[in-house]
Amino acid sequence: GENVEQHPSTLSVQEGDSAVIKCTYSDSASNYFPWYKQELGKRPQLIIDIRSNVGEKKDQRIAVTLNKTAKHFSLHITETQPEDSAVYFCAATLLNNDMRFGAGTRLTVKP
Amino acid sequence: NAGVTQTPKFQVLKTGQSMTLQCAQDMNHEYMSWYRQDPGMGLRLIHYSVGAGITDQGEVPNGYNVSRSTTEDFPLRLLSAAPSQTSVYFCASRVGGPMAEQFFGPGTRLTVL
Repeated sequence: GENVEQHPSTLSVQEGDSAVIKCTYSDSASNYFPWYKQELGKRPQLIIDIRSNVGEKKDQRIAVTLNKTAKHFSLHITETQPEDSAVYFCAATLLNNDMRFGAGTRLTVKP
Repeated sequence: NAGVTQTPKFQVLKTGQSMTLQCAQDMNHEYMSWYRQDPGMGLRLIHYSVGAGITDQGEVPNGYNVSRSTTEDFPLRLLSAAPSQTSVYFCASRVGGPMAEQFFGPGTRLTVL
């Protein structure tokens, strides 16, 4: 079936460094790719998203890039801060309104 | 606005029991969905609805039923609980099609013994 793979599963960086999380998807018809941040015991919250007609989108320290040909997209966080520590999920929509999520990346930012 | 609300926050069931997880939203969103979240597996779609009276199956629908009689409410029913249904359940809603921002409820932690 359709799926989304996410790497790495855990990522540890020093405060101020950059973090990159990568996802690949299998459904070539997918056209919407959101990223969610989930803090411990909390609900997932949308931090950035990208549509298939755009190659890159940036919002302050967060950016997402999309390569539709290769079917992969990435989340980039620059100047990381301890409050960026959380689990990050990528997702991709399917034609039938379904949304598939990656397994998540646990990011730890060390002060 | 309260956003997306879920009750209960925690629930413990015995194998074979049935129960309903409640979900409500006050944003007049057409689209609502239920996910389960298991360690190391991300979120998986159970059922979704694109409007009152319309429901459809997601990736892991077996063992669950849904109905959508109003725009606001989207309850999830476990017919005969099994230990494999131990999970955290999130309800979510969005205003329209698949490219709209999705808002999640606070979650229900369910344990089936």
